[in-house]
Amino acid sequence: AQTVTQSQPEMSVQEAETVTLSCTYDTSESNYYLFWYKQPPSRQMILVIRQEAYKQQNATENRFSVNFQKAAKSFSLKISDSQLGDTAMYFCAFTGETSGSRLTFGEGTQLTVNP
Amino acid sequence: GAGVSQSPSNKVTEKGKDVELRCDPISGHTALYWYRQRLGQGLEFLIYFQGNSAPDKSGLPSDRFSAERTGESVSTLTIQRTQQEDSAVYLCASSLRGTGTVSYEQYFGPGTRLTVT
Repeated sequence: AQTVTQSQPEMSVQEAETVTLSCTYDTSESNYYLFWYKQPPSRQMILVIRQEAYKQQNATENRFSVNFQKAAKSFSLKISDSQLGDTAMYFCAFTGETSGSRLTFGEGTQLTVNP
Repeated sequence: GAGVSQSPSNKVTEKGKDVELRCDPISGHTALYWYRQRLGQGLEFLIYFQGNSAPDKSGLPSDRFSAERTGESVSTLTIQRTQQEDSAVYLCASSLRGTGTVSYEQYFGPGTRLTVT
Protein backbone atom coordinates (compact mmCIF):
# COMPACT_ATOMS: atom_id res chain seq x y z
CA ALA A 1 0.00 0.00 0.00
CA GLN A 2 1.08 3.53 -0.67
CA THR A 3 1.51 6.11 2.07
CA VAL A 4 2.03 9.86 1.87
CA THR A 5 3.47 11.83 4.79
CA GLN A 6 3.46 15.57 5.33
CA SER A 7 5.41 16.35 8.48
CA GLN A 8 4.55 20.04 8.74
CA PRO A 9 0.98 20.57 10.03
CA GLU A 10 1.34 24.36 9.85
CA MET A 11 3.66 26.85 8.23
CA SER A 12 3.72 30.59 7.79
CA VAL A 13 5.58 32.93 5.47
CA GLN A 14 5.75 36.65 4.85
CA GLU A 15 4.26 38.00 1.67
CA ALA A 16 6.76 38.00 -1.24
CA GLU A 17 9.03 35.46 0.43
CA THR A 18 9.66 31.83 -0.51
CA VAL A 19 8.41 28.80 1.37
CA THR A 20 8.93 25.05 0.93
CA LEU A 21 6.42 22.40 1.95
CA SER A 22 7.68 18.86 2.51
CA CYS A 23 6.20 15.55 1.41
CA THR A 24 7.54 12.01 1.49
CA TYR A 25 5.88 8.90 0.14
CA ASP A 26 6.33 5.17 0.14
CA THR A 27 5.52 2.85 -2.75
CA SER A 28 6.78 -0.24 -4.50
CA GLU A 29 5.43 0.89 -7.86
CA SER A 30 7.73 2.06 -10.62
CA ASN A 31 5.25 4.18 -12.58
CA TYR A 32 3.35 6.76 -10.59
CA TYR A 33 2.31 10.37 -10.39
CA LEU A 34 2.58 12.94 -7.63
CA PHE A 35 0.44 16.01 -7.10
CA TRP A 36 0.10 19.04 -4.92
CA TYR A 37 -3.44 20.25 -4.32
CA LYS A 38 -4.51 23.47 -2.66
CA GLN A 39 -7.67 23.72 -0.57
CA PRO A 40 -8.69 27.25 0.47
CA PRO A 41 -11.47 27.83 3.05
CA SER A 42 -14.03 27.45 0.26
CA ARG A 43 -13.22 23.68 0.36
CA GLN A 44 -12.59 23.62 -3.40
CA MET A 45 -9.63 21.36 -4.19
CA ILE A 46 -7.41 22.93 -6.83
CA LEU A 47 -4.54 21.17 -8.59
CA VAL A 48 -1.36 23.20 -8.18
CA ILE A 49 1.23 21.02 -9.89
CA ARG A 50 1.88 17.43 -11.00
CA GLN A 51 4.97 15.31 -11.55
CA GLU A 52 5.35 12.09 -13.50
CA ALA A 53 7.79 9.74 -11.78
CA TYR A 54 9.50 8.80 -15.05
CA LYS A 55 10.45 12.41 -15.73
CA GLN A 56 13.72 13.55 -14.20
CA GLN A 57 12.99 17.22 -14.74
CA ASN A 58 11.21 18.95 -11.89
CA ALA A 59 7.80 20.36 -12.75
CA THR A 60 7.19 24.10 -12.58
CA GLU A 61 4.02 26.18 -12.83
CA ASN A 62 4.66 29.91 -12.59
CA ARG A 63 5.56 30.61 -8.94
CA PHE A 64 5.22 26.94 -7.98
CA SER A 65 7.93 24.35 -8.46
CA VAL A 66 8.77 20.95 -7.03
CA ASN A 67 11.93 19.22 -5.91
CA PHE A 68 11.38 15.58 -6.83
CA GLN A 69 13.93 13.20 -5.35
CA LYS A 70 12.88 9.75 -6.57
CA ALA A 71 15.49 7.74 -4.71
CA ALA A 72 14.64 9.47 -1.45
CA LYS A 73 10.91 9.35 -2.23
CA SER A 74 10.62 13.02 -1.52
CA PHE A 75 8.40 15.56 -3.30
CA SER A 76 8.57 19.08 -1.88
CA LEU A 77 6.69 22.14 -3.12
CA LYS A 78 8.36 25.53 -3.36
CA ILE A 79 6.22 28.65 -3.55
CA SER A 80 8.10 31.76 -4.65
CA ASP A 81 6.95 35.34 -4.17
CA SER A 82 4.20 34.20 -1.79
CA GLN A 83 0.88 36.00 -2.10
CA LEU A 84 -1.97 36.41 0.38
CA GLY A 85 -4.13 34.28 -1.90
CA ASP A 86 -1.76 31.35 -1.39
CA THR A 87 -3.11 30.96 2.15
CA ALA A 88 -4.70 27.51 2.14
CA MET A 89 -4.30 23.89 3.14
CA TYR A 90 -1.88 22.11 0.82
CA PHE A 91 -2.12 18.38 0.21
CA CYS A 92 0.45 16.11 -1.37
CA ALA A 93 -1.11 13.18 -3.25
CA PHE A 94 0.01 10.01 -5.04
CA THR A 95 -1.45 7.68 -7.63
CA GLY A 96 0.13 4.64 -9.23
CA GLU A 97 -0.57 2.15 -11.96
CA THR A 98 -2.29 -0.25 -9.57
CA SER A 99 -4.31 2.48 -7.86
CA GLY A 100 -6.96 2.80 -10.56
CA SER A 101 -6.04 6.49 -10.61
CA ARG A 102 -7.46 7.02 -7.12
CA LEU A 103 -5.44 9.45 -5.07
CA THR A 104 -3.76 8.77 -1.74
CA PHE A 105 -3.42 12.01 0.21
CA GLY A 106 -1.15 13.24 2.97
CA GLU A 107 -2.55 14.90 6.10
CA GLY A 108 -1.98 18.38 4.73
CA THR A 109 -0.01 21.50 5.62
CA GLN A 110 -1.85 24.68 6.56
CA LEU A 111 0.04 27.57 4.97
CA THR A 112 -0.59 31.12 6.12
CA VAL A 113 0.85 34.04 4.17
CA ASN A 114 1.22 37.12 6.36
CA PRO A 115 1.11 40.68 5.00
CA GLY B 1 -17.82 25.35 -18.64
CA ALA B 2 -19.59 23.79 -15.68
CA GLY B 3 -17.47 22.08 -13.09
CA VAL B 4 -18.31 19.23 -10.75
CA SER B 5 -21.33 20.06 -8.66
CA GLN B 6 -22.51 18.48 -5.43
CA SER B 7 -25.69 18.75 -3.43
CA PRO B 8 -26.59 19.54 -0.80
CA SER B 9 -23.81 21.85 0.28
CA ASN B 10 -24.51 21.13 3.91
CA LYS B 11 -26.57 18.41 5.56
CA VAL B 12 -27.44 18.00 9.21
CA THR B 13 -29.05 14.74 10.19
CA GLU B 14 -29.90 12.81 13.31
CA LYS B 15 -28.02 9.70 14.27
CA GLY B 16 -29.66 6.63 12.75
CA LYS B 17 -31.17 8.39 9.74
CA ASP B 18 -30.20 7.66 6.12
CA VAL B 19 -28.69 10.35 3.89
CA GLU B 20 -28.10 10.68 0.15
CA LEU B 21 -25.39 12.87 -1.32
CA ARG B 22 -25.39 13.74 -4.99
CA CYS B 23 -22.58 14.42 -7.45
CA ASP B 24 -22.85 15.75 -11.00
CA PRO B 25 -19.54 15.23 -12.81
CA ILE B 26 -18.19 17.23 -15.71
CA SER B 27 -19.86 16.17 -18.93
CA GLY B 28 -17.77 13.62 -20.81
CA HIS B 29 -15.77 12.52 -17.79
CA THR B 30 -15.90 8.75 -17.56
CA ALA B 31 -14.23 8.40 -14.16
CA LEU B 32 -15.87 9.47 -10.90
CA TYR B 33 -14.49 9.29 -7.36
CA TRP B 34 -15.85 9.81 -3.86
CA TYR B 35 -13.58 10.86 -1.00
CA ARG B 36 -14.21 11.60 2.66
CA GLN B 37 -12.40 14.36 4.54
CA ARG B 38 -12.65 14.39 8.31
CA LEU B 39 -11.98 17.65 10.12
CA GLY B 40 -8.34 18.66 9.84
CA GLN B 41 -7.35 15.57 7.89
CA GLY B 42 -6.53 14.55 4.36
CA LEU B 43 -8.91 12.90 1.94
CA GLU B 44 -9.73 9.21 2.19
CA PHE B 45 -10.75 7.31 -0.92
CA LEU B 46 -14.20 5.72 -0.76
CA ILE B 47 -15.25 4.46 -4.20
CA TYR B 48 -14.35 4.82 -7.88
CA PHE B 49 -16.47 4.39 -11.03
CA GLN B 50 -14.93 3.98 -14.48
CA GLY B 51 -17.33 3.84 -17.40
CA ASN B 52 -19.37 0.64 -17.37
CA SER B 53 -16.82 -1.34 -15.37
CA ALA B 54 -17.61 -2.69 -11.92
CA PRO B 55 -16.86 0.04 -9.35
CA ASP B 56 -13.88 -0.16 -7.02
CA LYS B 57 -15.55 -0.19 -3.60
CA SER B 58 -12.41 -1.02 -1.64
CA GLY B 59 -12.44 2.26 0.30
CA LEU B 60 -15.97 2.05 1.69
CA PRO B 61 -15.60 1.91 5.50
CA SER B 62 -18.64 -0.26 6.22
CA ASP B 63 -21.69 -1.84 4.61
CA ARG B 64 -23.69 1.20 5.66
CA PHE B 65 -22.03 3.05 2.78
CA SER B 66 -23.04 2.48 -0.84
CA ALA B 67 -22.90 4.41 -4.08
CA GLU B 68 -24.45 4.24 -7.50
CA ARG B 69 -23.76 5.89 -10.79
CA THR B 70 -26.14 6.20 -13.72
CA GLY B 71 -24.10 5.58 -16.86
CA GLU B 72 -21.45 8.25 -17.04
CA SER B 73 -23.46 10.91 -15.26
CA VAL B 74 -24.87 11.49 -11.80
CA SER B 75 -23.67 9.55 -8.79
CA THR B 76 -25.33 9.15 -5.41
CA LEU B 77 -23.53 8.22 -2.19
CA THR B 78 -25.86 6.77 0.42
CA ILE B 79 -25.07 6.38 4.10
CA GLN B 80 -27.54 4.28 6.05
CA ARG B 81 -28.11 4.48 9.81
CA THR B 82 -25.71 7.40 10.14
CA GLN B 83 -23.32 7.55 13.09
CA GLN B 84 -21.55 10.54 14.59
CA GLU B 85 -18.22 9.34 13.18
CA ASP B 86 -19.70 9.77 9.69
CA SER B 87 -19.54 13.55 10.18
CA ALA B 88 -17.16 14.84 7.51
CA VAL B 89 -16.96 16.60 4.18
CA TYR B 90 -17.70 14.26 1.29
CA LEU B 91 -15.94 15.26 -1.90
CA CYS B 92 -16.63 14.05 -5.40
CA ALA B 93 -14.17 14.26 -8.29
CA SER B 94 -14.28 13.36 -11.96
CA SER B 95 -11.68 12.89 -14.65
CA LEU B 96 -11.58 12.16 -18.36
CA ARG B 97 -10.25 8.67 -17.83
CA GLY B 98 -9.19 6.75 -14.77
CA THR B 99 -7.14 3.87 -16.14
CA GLY B 100 -4.17 3.38 -18.37
CA THR B 101 -0.66 4.68 -18.08
CA VAL B 102 -1.66 8.32 -18.10
CA SER B 103 -3.38 9.67 -15.04
CA TYR B 104 -5.77 12.46 -15.90
CA GLU B 105 -6.33 15.36 -13.58
CA GLN B 106 -9.17 14.96 -11.13
CA TYR B 107 -11.55 17.90 -10.89
CA PHE B 108 -13.19 18.23 -7.51
CA GLY B 109 -16.60 19.48 -6.49
CA PRO B 110 -17.11 21.79 -3.51
CA GLY B 111 -18.13 18.95 -1.24
CA THR B 112 -21.04 18.21 1.07
CA ARG B 113 -20.51 18.88 4.75
CA LEU B 114 -22.37 16.19 6.69
CA THR B 115 -23.04 16.68 10.38
CA VAL B 116 -24.59 13.84 12.36
CA THR B 117 -26.08 14.94 15.67
